[in-house]
Amino acid sequence: EVQVVESGGGLVQPGRSLRLSCAASGFTFDDYAMHWVRQAPGRGLEWVSGITWNSGSIDYADSVKGRFTISRDNAKNSLYLQMNSLRAEDTALYYCAKDNSDFPSYFDYWGQGTLVTVSS
Amino acid sequence: EIVLTQSPATLSLSPGERATLSCRASQSVSYYLAWYQQRPGQAPRLLFYDASNRATGIPARFSVSGSGTDFTLTISSLEPEDFAVYYCQQRSSWPLTFGGGTKVEIK
Repeated sequence: EVQVVESGGGLVQPGRSLRLSCAASGFTFDDYAMHWVRQAPGRGLEWVSGITWNSGSIDYADSVKGRFTISRDNAKNSLYLQMNSLRAEDTALYYCAKDNSDFPSYFDYWGQGTLVTVSS
Repeated sequence: EIVLTQSPATLSLSPGERATLSCRASQSVSYYLAWYQQRPGQAPRLLFYDASNRATGIPARFSVSGSGTDFTLTISSLEPEDFAVYYCQQRSSWPLTFGGGTKVEIK
């Protein structure tokens, strides 16, 4: 069974950093691209960042570019999101999502999300 | 960045009725479009990808059409579990983008 499980969320002050992790199982992790997608309370979905199977191609939403860094460790079946200079508008439920291909395409499996709250 | 506009924002219908949801792209995405369903308190679920490929386990009452800039998701006869928010998403170019969503609510 495919599973992706996020961790690392919490309450953080504006300007501080947080690192999210995603543990994947039930599929060959290094065959697929992976993504972070977020959803602010009561709002729609926003793609945050994606990374190809071999980390050869990475992209970010403009709203996080220069502040967030996505990475993966295929040996550990894990995806990460380093979030720096956090702002109130980064408050959201952050989902880890498996792609259905090795290059950025669609999200066929999602975790339950980890909540990030940025507030003083 | 490709902007996806979904309409209507809210659709109020009764069980058994037909739902028609629209997604319009600011430029052609060819057939590189997906649809997702999100029920309250749940993660999104992939319904269709590459415009017309049905994801695993999606019932036949769901159908899609369109290419280029205009796409439609149709639910032929609403079941109670279909009342949810639906999103479209394009993978034609980075950054990947979602539409704002259409909420299908019980009338």
